[in-house]
Amino acid sequence: DQQVKQNSPSLSVQEGRISILNCDYTNSMFDYFLWYKKYPAEGPTFLISISSIKDKNEDGRFTVFLNKSAKHLSLHIVPSQPGDSAVYFCAASWEGSNYKLTFGKGTLLTVNP
Amino acid sequence: NAGVTQTPKFQVLKTGQSMTLQCAQDMNHNSMYWYRQDPGMGLRLIYYSASEGTTDKGEVPNGYNVSRLNKREFSLRLESAAPSQTSVYFCATLSTGRGNTIYFGEGSWLTVV
Repeated sequence: DQQVKQNSPSLSVQEGRISILNCDYTNSMFDYFLWYKKYPAEGPTFLISISSIKDKNEDGRFTVFLNKSAKHLSLHIVPSQPGDSAVYFCAASWEGSNYKLTFGKGTLLTVNP
Repeated sequence: NAGVTQTPKFQVLKTGQSMTLQCAQDMNHNSMYWYRQDPGMGLRLIYYSASEGTTDKGEVPNGYNVSRLNKREFSLRLESAAPSQTSVYFCATLSTGRGNTIYFGEGSWLTVV
């Protein structure tokens, strides 16, 4: 029973274009969502988060959109850079869970020069 | 990943051996977590600790024990290692400063042969 799903194992985009990474969830209790980026042999690095009271959050080149009715969120990276090439994990939690994160399986993003 | 230190970074164990993974944080956070990551999987929660002296099971606790003796340190122990415990282990802490964000250490690579 996968509560957080990233259905695309990989994504390839050209440098300068937009990267869109998608994530779906099934648990209606989730009210806080995060994206992490992970390079090989390193720990996950926090990128951006969004609370369920919002539908959009921006931080520089990164924007997260949340569609609660569809239980869907997406991460947009504009413009994409070769250094963005990494595995991106979507994660979800809720306040009553002590912020225990449930992760998707990740999407490998490759940005080609 | 600054502030969350894991040791050792690499370890090879024989089946049946025991070992302890150490995690220390210098950010004065209350909550700490242990996750494992396996190929093609997201991170899965093993145990977490909401505060000093308290621990609770996560999604995959079997075969592990934890200890939170003080605020800084949260250790993960494998009493009798099995090949199924070959994985990358990540310690993490919860920051409640700018929103609620979990920060990860750099990981410990464990191989059980």
